[in-house]
Amino acid sequence: KNEVEQSPQNLTAQEGEFITINCSYSVGISALHWLQQHPGGGIVSLFMLSSGKKKHGRLIATINIQEKHSSLHITASHPRDSAVYICAVRPYNNNDMRFGAGTRLTVKP
Amino acid sequence: DVKVTQSSRYLVKRTGEKVFLECVQDMDHENMFWYRQDPGLGLRLIYFSYDVKMKEKGDIPEGYSVSREKKERFSLILESASTNQTSMYLCASLSQYSPLHFGNGTRLTVT
Repeated sequence: KNEVEQSPQNLTAQEGEFITINCSYSVGISALHWLQQHPGGGIVSLFMLSSGKKKHGRLIATINIQEKHSSLHITASHPRDSAVYICAVRPYNNNDMRFGAGTRLTVKP
Repeated sequence: DVKVTQSSRYLVKRTGEKVFLECVQDMDHENMFWYRQDPGLGLRLIYFSYDVKMKEKGDIPEGYSVSREKKERFSLILESASTNQTSMYLCASLSQYSPLHFGNGTRLTVT
């Protein structure tokens, strides 16, 4: 079983919809990262979280350390949000990162 | 703004060649990583380094080696390139208090 599980694997939405992508992990962590990769593009960091909630524009990320769960929300989705979203965790006492398989989001106009 | 720079965007090499992929970061990050990304397989860790001259094997180190002689530079070496090493190679850097930063990637084709 993968240490980082994302759901859904694929998601199609209409423009304007509210979107939620979930990430569950099984190890103790020092931080969780949400990453975005557009088709044919590089990977960019959206958020780094160790507790609570962060917001940047239409993107909101939350984390519940006790439940080992994080969500990425996109409000008022737009076709330019179409990308793969990847959850990654940094385990305690470890310099490595563990990645989810990614969620492919398609937002239709 | 953190910058992670990979030396080549596209590279074509022949089977058996020795290949060097270079990565430089400008934010004094302790940790640097080499991943490969293949369709359907996601990101797989080849090697990482948490300090100068320190290296740790990742999930798929076979056929690869690395070098970190200076803190800002992490090199990935394919000792004898093979066709199954055709892939997108991504370098990343990280410190305890910073987000993970990736380079733009090197698409390597081995023929």
